[in-house]
Amino acid sequence: DTAVSQTPKYLVTQMGNDKSIKCEQNLGHDTMYWYKQDSKKFLKIMFSYNNKELIINETVPNRFSPKSPDKAHLNLHINSLELGDSAVYFCASSLRGRAEAFFGQGTRLTVV
Amino acid sequence: GESVGLHLPTLSVQEGDNSIINCAYSNSASDYFIWYKQESGKGPQFIIDIRSNMDKRQGQRVTVLLNKTVKHLSLQIAATQPGDSAVYFCAENGNFGNEKLTFGTGTRLTIIP
Repeated sequence: DTAVSQTPKYLVTQMGNDKSIKCEQNLGHDTMYWYKQDSKKFLKIMFSYNNKELIINETVPNRFSPKSPDKAHLNLHINSLELGDSAVYFCASSLRGRAEAFFGQGTRLTVV
Repeated sequence: GESVGLHLPTLSVQEGDNSIINCAYSNSASDYFIWYKQESGKGPQFIIDIRSNMDKRQGQRVTVLLNKTVKHLSLQIAATQPGDSAVYFCAENGNFGNEKLTFGTGTRLTIIP
């Protein structure tokens, strides 16, 4: 009955690899997000999708590519992983026009 | 540029006492604010929100105060419990209807038994 679920919870990978993080929400929301939280707990939005359409795209390297197959799913693919990509990535969702976002449990990505 | 910041990065409070967590923001166009609680190993959890046309809002054991004159908001937690230990974030939405949230740096609240 998890509202916003992301997989995997932990991801350890080598530099240069390509990896994906998956996110699904069962709240009936039509807007989904990816946030990045660094080691100092600073949370910053990366992307936002509404009904599969990209509506927010912050200054993120183009190695990061979100994909939304439907409004309940938003995946994040990262190419050529770098050490600086190590962080916790949170998926979130909300209703269009409402900033109150519901967050997943996070994916801790460690690049070695 | 817009930013949301907190005055204190850490706060320790005796169990049963009241806690006050502060947040300053710089975007005078901000019209919606949210407080989130993040426990260790979990995602941020919505606590309470307030719109810019209000200066106070109360929830269960929590109160948010907004002072638009000095661009400051606070979160008051009454009768703190061990379960209140977490990192608390304020977040602002600069334009209600645009869902982008800008988060502050967070305050770690520790409840002392």
